[in-house]
Order: sequence, then C-alpha cells, then structure tokens
Amino acid sequence: EVQLVESGGGLVQPGRSLKLSCAASGFTFSDYNMAWVRQAPTKGLEWVASISYGGSNTHYGDSVKGRFTISRDNAKSTLYLQMDSLRSEDTATYYCARSRYNLVMDAWGQGASVTVSS
Amino acid sequence: DVQMTQSPSNLAASPGESVSINCKASKSISKYLAWYQQKPGKANKLLIYSGSTLQSGTPSRFSGSGSGTDFTLTIRNLEPEDFGLYYCQQHNEYPPTFGAGTKLELK
Repeated sequence: EVQLVESGGGLVQPGRSLKLSCAASGFTFSDYNMAWVRQAPTKGLEWVASISYGGSNTHYGDSVKGRFTISRDNAKSTLYLQMDSLRSEDTATYYCARSRYNLVMDAWGQGASVTVSS
Repeated sequence: DVQMTQSPSNLAASPGESVSINCKASKSISKYLAWYQQKPGKANKLLIYSGSTLQSGTPSRFSGSGSGTDFTLTIRNLEPEDFGLYYCQQHNEYPPTFGAGTKLELK
C-alpha cells in the first residue's frame, strides 16, 4: 500500500523558516517524481513545487520561488520542503504527492498544517 | 499560467442521480486534465487523468470527457460515498493549475 506521511508542520513567526518532511513507503520512491501541493484554509489546491525522481530537476510556483526549496533523499525514501522567509499567506495544509503521467498527482499524504503568525 | 474555471461551485443531488461538473481551461491543454476527489479525514484521491482515463480503483460510474479547453466529469448513479469536493487540474504544462473546486452535497 502506498503511504505518504508528512511531518514538521506547526506555528511559526513571519520571516522564520520551517522544514517539512514526507516519508514514503509501499513503492520504489526513487522511481517517481514527487510534488508538494498546498491548500490555504477554506481555499482550493495550489501546486507548490516538483522534483524529478533523481532530484536533478526542480520546478516552483511563482508564489514560493526563491523562498522554498524542494529536495529528496532516495536512500531514506523521504521528500523535503525547506520553507524560508515565511509569510502569513503561506499558512496552509501542505500535501506531499507522488507524481506521474506528466504532472498528475496519483497518491497523496494526509497533509501537514503550517500556520505563519506572530 | 493556464487558468482553470470550474462550474458549478456547489451542486446538490440525491443518491441514484447523475451529475456533471465542468472545467474550462484558458487555453488548449489537449487531453491533459485530471479530476480529484477530496473528503475530510481522507487523502485526496485521483479519479481520472488524461481527460478520460480512469485511475485504477475508480468506479466505472465515474467518467471524464472533453479535449482542448472544455472538459466534463460525470458521475452516474450517485452513491453516498461520492459526496465531497471535486477538483480539476491541468497536467499539460508547468505550472500545473487547479480549478476552484465543486462541492457535491446531499440534497
């Protein structure tokens, strides 16, 4: 069974940093591209970033470019999202997702809640 | 970026009925549209990709159609577990973009 479990969320002050992790199991992690998608309270889904299966190619949404960094450790089957210079508008539930069929998210985690507030 | 316009935003129906949800892209995305279901306490679920290809495990009462800019998700013979939020997403180009969602509620 494919499982994606996010961790590392919490309350953080504006301007500070936070790092999310996503532990993957039930599939060969190193064979798949991965992504982060977020959802602000009462809002829709917003793609944040993607990374290729080997980690060499990354893409970011304009709203996080230059502040967030997606990375992965295939030996640990873990995906990361380093979030720097956080803003109140980054408050959201962050989902880890497996990506295939060209930018389709075919498996999702339950999400990690991030609140940016003073 | 490709803007995705989803309609209606809310939809009320009864079990056994059929419903359709529409998604319009701001430019042609060929056949590359996905549909997801979101329910409280559950992981988001991919239903359909590439416009009409059912993801493994998606019941056959779900179907997708369309190409270019106009797409439709149809659910026939609604089951109680089908009520929830539905999102479309274009997967033709970066950045992948989502519609605003359709809330399917029990009438």
